[in-house]
Amino acid sequence: KAGVTQTPRYLIKTRGQQVTLSCSPISGHRSVSWYQQTPGQGLQFLFEYFSETQRNKGNFPGRFSGRQFSNSRSEMNVSTLELGDSALYLCASSFLGRTSYEQYFGPGTRLTVT
Amino acid sequence: KNQVEQSPQSLIILEGKNCTLQCNYTVSPFSNLRWYKQDTGRGPVSLTIMTFSENTKSNGRYTATLDADTKQSSLHITASQLSDSASYICVVSAGVQGAQKLVFGQGTRLTINP
Repeated sequence: KAGVTQTPRYLIKTRGQQVTLSCSPISGHRSVSWYQQTPGQGLQFLFEYFSETQRNKGNFPGRFSGRQFSNSRSEMNVSTLELGDSALYLCASSFLGRTSYEQYFGPGTRLTVT
Repeated sequence: KNQVEQSPQSLIILEGKNCTLQCNYTVSPFSNLRWYKQDTGRGPVSLTIMTFSENTKSNGRYTATLDADTKQSSLHITASQLSDSASYICVVSAGVQGAQKLVFGQGTRLTINP
């Protein structure tokens, strides 16, 4: 069974631009969660989608948004990029939900904002 | 306040030696506890997931323990290998059904030297 895939793996953007990251979960998994990881803050939860609906949301500004498609693939969008958005963005899929079931993480997208 | 604290922050040991990483949590109500291994620039990989009733779980050379009374968990690595160099993250799932959240520790950075 293929694992979680994320594209692109690396991205360089300038301040003020917007970016869209993509995540394909493990086949059969309906829950997709997004995390931001920085050296100083560790892993921080952005949001979770389940069957195309946002189920949970972390404490991030509205510039961070996401969506999930009917095939469970998910996208995350960050608008008006700031230098502080430079981070590793991780996507994780789970069979039914991230809190009760095992999560499987993708390799991440390394975003650098200059 | 729900918190997960890991110690030490970083650890350096020689190849072949054993080590133990600690995780203390103040999370209620407890649902499960997970240990992840994360190689630099990669997504976390699950090592173990333990529920309230489990106090030991092994995955190869990795053995996790859980003391729900003292709210402590440890991850013991036996006969360390160079490939064990990574960050180890403790994650606790808390809350009641339908309103659960994951609380992440900051991780322990383990370096194995030859």
